[in-house]
Amino acid sequence: GAGVSQSPRYKVAKRGQDVALRCDPISGHVSLFWYQQALGQGPEFLTYFQNEAQLDKSGLPSDRFFAERPEGSVSTLKIQRTQQEDSAVYLCASSSTGGDYEQYFGPGTRLTVT
Amino acid sequence: AQKVTQAQTEISVVEKEDVTLDCVYETRDTTYYLFWYKQPPSGELVFLIRRNSFDEQNEISGRYSWNFQKSTSSFNFTITASQVVDSAVYFCALSGSPGLKRNTPLVFGKGTRLSVIA
Repeated sequence: GAGVSQSPRYKVAKRGQDVALRCDPISGHVSLFWYQQALGQGPEFLTYFQNEAQLDKSGLPSDRFFAERPEGSVSTLKIQRTQQEDSAVYLCASSSTGGDYEQYFGPGTRLTVT
Repeated sequence: AQKVTQAQTEISVVEKEDVTLDCVYETRDTTYYLFWYKQPPSGELVFLIRRNSFDEQNEISGRYSWNFQKSTSSFNFTITASQVVDSAVYFCALSGSPGLKRNTPLVFGKGTRLSVIA
């Protein structure tokens, strides 16, 4: 079946612009995670949804970051007034809760803020 | 707090050599999960293995093997007879035990870049 998809794959934004990154999880997966991966680093947790409920947003670095999953499927990560330090790859992962807790990752969106 | 340390930043080996990637973790949870992921140049994270804290049996899958030692909080990964296609960044990760109908985020190490030279 189809895996996790993310769009766009690449995004260049000028400092101060707002961006929206989309994640389509595997069909039926109730859990959805967003991670940020800076160059040369491991992914770092941003936020977590269980269906449409955002259960953990402790990793969001500032109030410029906002995520939603209104219908419990597709999720959008929005970054307002982008800064250069926001440049990173943003990874989305989904998983089920039926015993197989493996997180399946999408290809990521590479954001470059100029 | 949970933490994963991969002390080896980069490793280069010649094809057919064996190589071990080290992973040391810290957690106060009594139940937890350990993972290894591979990130090839394409960028997508590929799941390799998941281990829960109650299962200390070593595992072998083809040329891959994993050694979990709770006493030293280590979960090392060995590739036998390495191949050029093994070249990638490898991440060790840790998560708490999922609750009922709820998952927990992964805490990743910084990764080890493996280069296998023909």
